[in-house]
Amino acid sequence: GENVEQHPSTLSVQEGDSAVIKCTYSDSASNYFPWYKQELGKGPQLIIDIRSNVGEKKDQRIAVTLNKTAKHFSLHITETQPEDSAVYFCAALGGSQGNLIFGKGTKLSVKP
Amino acid sequence: GAGVSQSPSNKVTEKGKDVELRCDPISGHTALYWYRQSLGQGLEFLIYFQGNSAPDKSGLPSDRFSAERTGGSVSTLTIQRTQQEDSAVYLCASSEPPDYGYTFGSGTRLTVV
Repeated sequence: GENVEQHPSTLSVQEGDSAVIKCTYSDSASNYFPWYKQELGKGPQLIIDIRSNVGEKKDQRIAVTLNKTAKHFSLHITETQPEDSAVYFCAALGGSQGNLIFGKGTKLSVKP
Repeated sequence: GAGVSQSPSNKVTEKGKDVELRCDPISGHTALYWYRQSLGQGLEFLIYFQGNSAPDKSGLPSDRFSAERTGGSVSTLTIQRTQQEDSAVYLCASSEPPDYGYTFGSGTRLTVV
């Protein structure tokens, strides 16, 4: 089945800097890759997603890139703000599965 | 409803007791999922319902765990003879269809003492 690895597990940046979180997946048939943001005491919230027929997608300060050949995808946050501080999860939907497989998460801290 | 609703938000139970956790998905979403999140850990898949198909139970950790979904809407996750290692946040999500973004509830924090 699908396996998703996520790095780094923690990331600390200064306000205004960029943050990059990387994930790799194992199932070459995977075709859907969402990213979730989880704030303390809340459920994860979808922030951006990308499908396998697209290489990059942007939404204001966040972007996701996908390299299907290398089986990795990344989340890029520019001009970080303190409210970006949270745990971020990547996920992949495998070709033979009906459920998302999640990475172990990255705790992002943005220091003012 | 506007979002996925889970109840209770917190549950403390004694070891050995049974517990039931409830999930109300977004109206019209045919796919419903249960995940478990232990302290500081990622999301562990438990079970997945899609329409009227038989559920995918491949993530349930033991036969003490079971779930049902009545009328294609509300779902209940039942844990029998709870153990301390069952302590975690249990998250429910729904989507339409399965390869679209999930909407998660706020979870039920289960503490087994």
